[in-house]
Amino acid sequence: AQTVTQSQPEMSVQEAETVTLSCTYDTSESDYYLFWYKQPPSRQMILVIRQEAYKQQNATENRFSVNFQKAAKSFSLKISDSQLGDAAMYFCAYNFGNEKLTFGTGTRLTIIP
Amino acid sequence: GAVVSQHPSRVICKSGTSVKIECRSLDFQATTMFWYRQFPKKSLMLMATSNEGSKATYEQGVEKDKFLINHASLTLSTLTVTSAHPEDSSFYICSARDLGTLTKEAFFGQGTRLTVV
Repeated sequence: AQTVTQSQPEMSVQEAETVTLSCTYDTSESDYYLFWYKQPPSRQMILVIRQEAYKQQNATENRFSVNFQKAAKSFSLKISDSQLGDAAMYFCAYNFGNEKLTFGTGTRLTIIP
Repeated sequence: GAVVSQHPSRVICKSGTSVKIECRSLDFQATTMFWYRQFPKKSLMLMATSNEGSKATYEQGVEKDKFLINHASLTLSTLTVTSAHPEDSSFYICSARDLGTLTKEAFFGQGTRLTVV
């Protein structure tokens, strides 16, 4: 069974600095999708970024980028120029085919003004 | 991105009564919808997967007779909590996927906070 592991329950970063959230996963598949979701205090799940496993190029969305290491089964999220609005729970998720999303346990990110 | 609307956002009900939560995909056809339960400061726990026109598939440990799921159309799925008990108080989230797209990402509703008194 696929598993997703987020080893950092909590992280904090100074405003305007850069922070990296870790995620590792386990799968025997070769073609799958990986996602980072953000859940702010409103609890609305918001897609931050997605990565297709067959693409070697790391995905980037403005201040958010990933470091996708397929062989190591690692998928970290880098947030540059951190802003107060980035404070949230961040969930890493894995998906293969039409199966369900498998979520990690989440990392709570605090932004220090 | 696509929009998923979940209603109500908050509901309070008495023990023993039933409450229905709706999940609608507003601008796409959701062939598959998922229902999650989230405890405070925890990750999302998948309860069941529903496919339009067929019976829902429940995760191990989830009582299908207590949590009734109906996915009667490509844009609507409902979760009915029957004979609600205070232990059912939680945050429930639905998500919908358009498997016709390449990305297959899931879009989430706003969630429903259920309080059983």
